[in-house]
Amino acid sequence: AAGVIQSPRHLIKEKRETATLKCYPIPRHDTVYWYQQGPGQDPQFLISFYEKMQSDKGSIPDRFSAQQFSDYHSELNMSSLELGDSALYFCASSRSSYNSPLHFGNGTRLTVT
Amino acid sequence: GESVGLHLPTLSVQEGDNSIINCAYSNSASDYFIWYKQESGKGPQFIIDIRSNMDKRQGQRVTVLLNKTVKHLSLQIAATQPGDSAVYFCAENNTGNQFYFGTGTSLTVIP
Repeated sequence: AAGVIQSPRHLIKEKRETATLKCYPIPRHDTVYWYQQGPGQDPQFLISFYEKMQSDKGSIPDRFSAQQFSDYHSELNMSSLELGDSALYFCASSRSSYNSPLHFGNGTRLTVT
Repeated sequence: GESVGLHLPTLSVQEGDNSIINCAYSNSASDYFIWYKQESGKGPQFIIDIRSNMDKRQGQRVTVLLNKTVKHLSLQIAATQPGDSAVYFCAENNTGNQFYFGTGTSLTVIP
């Protein structure tokens, strides 16, 4: 079965650079979520989109922005990168029906040096 | 924000034994819960979910129990296998498109 696709799998950037992470949801899933997971930590909710509109916002820094496009894929844009941004970034998708489980991709590992 | 946490950060069990992983949540309005399994280098994998109108739900070798009175959730894994070794998270949802994750429990299965 098709799963959530994230790219790239690994990304190395320097401080103050920008990064763009991409997410392709499962077909017919209209809701996309972004999570950040530091080493040994639980996933922290950043932001979600439903039908190309921002749905909920969590602990996403102002330096980050995201959007969902007409084909439902989503991009997380990160600017002025800091060392503390080094983490795994997961995208998840779900159908819009209430109480629908999230399905996660395998993440992008971002390293800021 | 909501607080979802696990009682024990690590759990070691013998292969073939049953495992019980616990989770406490703080938001009594949460009405949907999910257990995820995360292996190293991979994203969280859906195991089983339960809605607040249920106390128990069973899957293949897994059972989730929900006690709304004490805001407690547990995941029981029967006949634990080495492939079950992973970090397990519970997640809760009460409104909108946000799921809050608790601190994971690292399960190690001893052959």
